Amino acid sequence: EPEVTQTPSHQVTQMGQEVILRCVPISNHLYFYWYRQILGQKVEFLVSFYNNEISEKSEIFDDQFSVERPDGSNFTLKIRSTKLEDSAMYFCASSRETGVNYGYTFGSGTRLTVV
Amino acid sequence: AQSVSQHNHHVILSEAASLELGCNYSYGGTVNLFWYVQYPGQHLQLLLKYFSGDPLVKGIKGFEAEFIKSKFSFNLRKPSVQWSDTAEYFCAVNNRNYGGSQGNLIFGKGTKLSVKP
Repeated sequence: EPEVTQTPSHQVTQMGQEVILRCVPISNHLYFYWYRQILGQKVEFLVSFYNNEISEKSEIFDDQFSVERPDGSNFTLKIRSTKLEDSAMYFCASSRETGVNYGYTFGSGTRLTVV
Repeated sequence: AQSVSQHNHHVILSEAASLELGCNYSYGGTVNLFWYVQYPGQHLQLLLKYFSGDPLVKGIKGFEAEFIKSKFSFNLRKPSVQWSDTAEYFCAVNNRNYGGSQGNLIFGKGTKLSVKP
């Protein structure tokens, strides 16, 4: 069964540093998403991406965040200057059609720890 | 704003016990409803989904959920749980008419299920 792959599985970074979280969506999927889950809290939507541009983003997705699909296979989330409160599990997801009808396939997540 | 409430934070059951996990959502319009499961150390996996039609939805691994529109609920059930069902379960809602865009998933806080052998 096709999978969404995320790397690294765990990243520790110092406050103020930039981090890039990487995702390889399923190859024939067209819609890409990032969600995050702060420990003990609910999974929250960050951003959706289609046709090489952001189609929707939440309030959490401020100027410190950016997404990119640099080479047609990877889908990255960059946090420019990490804060302690960015510590969370970050999930990438993809879907073939709009998630409304098909649901999403999630990756295993990257646990980001900001110290 | 839409929200999803899962009533139980942690449920502990013995094997063969019946399971019901509550989920209520706040949005009054047309919604799609999902249950996801996250086994320890693994990714979120879709258990079942409801878009329209029969409000009783059957999913994988013997799970089912019932959509009750009047109660804004989508409770997850399983008649007899197994030790391997130990996981965290997330209810999620997607507003089909959300701004004409793809919409996004709004998750509940999750319910941790521990099944004792």
